[in-house]
This record gives sequence, structure tokens and C-alpha cells, in this order.
Amino acid sequence: GQQVMQIPQYQHVQEGEDFTTYCNSSTTLSNIQWYKQRPGGHPVFLIQLVKSGEVKKQKRLTFQFGEAKKNSSLHITATQTTDVGTYFCAGPGYKLSFGAGTTVTVRA
Amino acid sequence: NAGVTQTPKFQVLKTGQSMTLQCAQDMNHEYMSWYRQDPGMGLRLIHYSVGAGITDQGEVPNGYNVSRSTTEDFPLRLLSAAPSQTSVYFCASSRSAGSNFGNTIYFGEGSWLTVV
Repeated sequence: GQQVMQIPQYQHVQEGEDFTTYCNSSTTLSNIQWYKQRPGGHPVFLIQLVKSGEVKKQKRLTFQFGEAKKNSSLHITATQTTDVGTYFCAGPGYKLSFGAGTTVTVRA
Repeated sequence: NAGVTQTPKFQVLKTGQSMTLQCAQDMNHEYMSWYRQDPGMGLRLIHYSVGAGITDQGEVPNGYNVSRSTTEDFPLRLLSAAPSQTSVYFCASSRSAGSNFGNTIYFGEGSWLTVV
């Protein structure tokens, strides 16, 4: 089945720094979604990317879909303690295949 | 706004026992699914349903049964619990299963299951 790989698995970030997490697929994706899960919580939808090369921003979060629609990235600028959690990419369609996630911790 | 409601939130089972995790959504969503989450493995799809009366297997269906008699409810049954089924279970729903471009999936708050 569809396999979506995420790197890195863990990201330890100094508050105020930027970081990027990557999502790669072995096949072309019709769309990709990103979710955030706070510790002890449930996944919450962040965004969906559909078009080749698409870039979307949500405040300090920038999401990008690769030109070949086989990879995606999430870039967070000026990391804050509220960014703590695990970020998952998932796709495509309704039978979402989730990556293993990038767990982010923040050093104050 | 109840959204997706799961019960129970926590459960301890003995090996061999059976139980049902309940899931209900009040958004008239067509698509419902069950995932399990284990450390370092993301979320894996157990079973899903594209509408009342229709269910299908996901990535890890063994040891679990589902049914969808109504649009609102999608219970997950563990037939004979095993320690390998210790996990966090999430029920999820989305408006439609018919779009190639996907739909936002809403997750319940999770059910923590321990099998001893």
C-alpha cells in the first residue's frame, strides 16, 4: 500500500529557531494533508495541499508540495513552546496513510 | 459541537476478553474509520466505512470487527484481546469518501487500551 515516510523522527529545537520536517512518498500523491497532535491529544487537521509546487502559509507555518507531488515539507519559523507536538503528513484521499510523524520538543 | 465521540477513554482488559469501543459522530459524515497508534509507527488504519452498511479492511484488520448499521455509529470490536492490541485507538470521520482530493478528517479524543 501507500507508504509515506517522514524525517526526522525527532526534532529538538531552541525556542526562536526555525526547523523543517519532510514527507516523502514512493508514488505520486493526488493530495497530501498535514496534522498536528499535541502530547496526550488527538490529531488535528492543519492543511491540505493539492497542486504541484503549491505553497501555503499559516502564520509561522509554511507548507509546500513538491513539483513531482512525491514530497512535502512543513517549515516552522521562530519556534514557540506552543509548537510542541507530533506533526504527521498523510495521504492521499480518504484512506489516509500516515507517516510516522516528527515529534517536536522545544527548549526554552 | 460534539463532533466525534469515543468511549471508553481508558480500558484495561485481560487476555482473551472481548470488548467494544464505541464511536459516534453527529456531523452526518459518510466516511468513518478506526486507527491505532503505537509509538514510532504513526497511525495505522484498522477498518473503514464509506457509508451505512458498508465496511472494509484497512492495513491492520486482524483481531478486530466492525459494523455500520447507522450513519452515526461505527463500533470497533475486539474479539479476543491480546497484549499486542495494547494501543491508543482513534475513531475518525469525514464528510465524504468520494473525492480524489480528500476531505478533512476529524478525530475523536482516543481510547487508551491496555491488555494484560
